[in-house]
Amino acid sequence: QVDLVESGGGVVHPGGSLRLSCLTSGFTFTNYGMHWVRQAPGKGPEWLAAIVHDGTSQDYADSVKGRFTLSRDDSKNAVYLQMDNLRVEDTAVYYCVRARDTGLDSYFSYWGQGTLVTVSS
Amino acid sequence: DIAVTQSPDSLAVSLGERATIKCTTSHSVLSSANNKNYLAWYQQKAGRPPTLLFYWASTRESGVPDRFRASGSGTDFTLTISSLQAEDVAVYYCHQYYYLPPYTFGQGTKVEIK
Repeated sequence: QVDLVESGGGVVHPGGSLRLSCLTSGFTFTNYGMHWVRQAPGKGPEWLAAIVHDGTSQDYADSVKGRFTLSRDDSKNAVYLQMDNLRVEDTAVYYCVRARDTGLDSYFSYWGQGTLVTVSS
Repeated sequence: DIAVTQSPDSLAVSLGERATIKCTTSHSVLSSANNKNYLAWYQQKAGRPPTLLFYWASTRESGVPDRFRASGSGTDFTLTISSLQAEDVAVYYCHQYYYLPPYTFGQGTKVEIK
């Protein structure tokens, strides 16, 4: 079965960095785009970033553009979200999500369990 | 960017009664290329990630009970629970994924038992 496991969350000071990882299994990784979605406490989900199946194209929400970088390692069936210059408002649970196919425009059938990022001084 | 608005923010319904949630997008999410509406619905229970209920506006995900129904086209969409069960208590979100990012979610509708 499809499995997505996030890691790398934690507590960080404003201006700090974290790298989230998402290890996947149960499907042919190179056939699917991948996304990150976050959810702040008590709020709705917010789409953050996506990468197409072959890594040649990524896109980001304006709220994280220039601060977050999404990459994928096909040899490890993994995607990574490098988060720099973190702000208090980045505090949220971060979910790794699989796309429906190779591209970006997708509903989200498969979600990880999430990893909590807390940005606090 | 396409904004997504849900109504109401919350509703309380008696067991066995109907619950109706509306979702409106600021721009049509109906593609003229394939006649599909790029709109999905999710259910989220406390402490869990969202789970997909419907995609392409009205295609039921495998395993979703048939008391759940979704409809609509263009900019106006509806999720209906025909006979509310205790296990349906959750927050429901709609989500537009029309072609290019950003993909946006509604603010959520909390469904409770009256």
